Amino acid sequence: EVQVVESGGGLVQPGGSLRLSCVPSGFAFSSYWMGWVRQAPGKGLEWVANIKQDGNEEYYVDSVKGRFTISRDNAKNSLYLQMNSLRAEDTAVYYCARVPSGSGWSWFDPWGQGTLVTVSS
Amino acid sequence: VIWMTQSPSLVSASIGDRVTLSCRVSQDISSYLAWYQQKPGKAPDLLMYATSTLQSGVPSRFSGSGSGTDFTLTISSLQSEDLATYYCQQYHSFPVTFGGGTKVELK
Repeated sequence: EVQVVESGGGLVQPGGSLRLSCVPSGFAFSSYWMGWVRQAPGKGLEWVANIKQDGNEEYYVDSVKGRFTISRDNAKNSLYLQMNSLRAEDTAVYYCARVPSGSGWSWFDPWGQGTLVTVSS
Repeated sequence: VIWMTQSPSLVSASIGDRVTLSCRVSQDISSYLAWYQQKPGKAPDLLMYATSTLQSGVPSRFSGSGSGTDFTLTISSLQSEDLATYYCQQYHSFPVTFGGGTKVELK
């Protein structure tokens, strides 16, 4: 079964840091772009970041540029999202997802179950 | 940034009804549109991509149409398991963007 599983969410104070992880299974991780999408409580979906198969290209939504870093370790079959200088507005469920298209910009499938990040004092 | 507007925000329908959801885009995206279904407390599930290509396993009562700036998701005969929120997403241009969602509930 093709799936991804996130971990690492939790409660963090404003200005703090958190590292999310995502472990895929059922497909050749190193062959796909991967991304993170978030959803604030009761709100819609917002793309956060994408990373190329070899990790040499990264793209971010403007609101997280300079604070978040997406990375991957193909040898460890893992995707990461390092989140620094967290703000209250970063509070959301963060989903890891595969980017099926080779171009890096496409739909997302599959999605993980999500991990909740709460930024609050 | 390409803006996505979904309407209506809430649809109340009966089992067996034909349901039509709209997604309008702020600029021409050709057919670079996907639809997702999200049930409460769950992750989004891909329904279709390239406007009308059904993801494997998605029932044929779901269909998609449109091109350019106007797109439609149709459920030909609403089933109880279809009660959810539906999101459209464009992947024509960076950054990819999502619509605000349409919630489908029972009348």
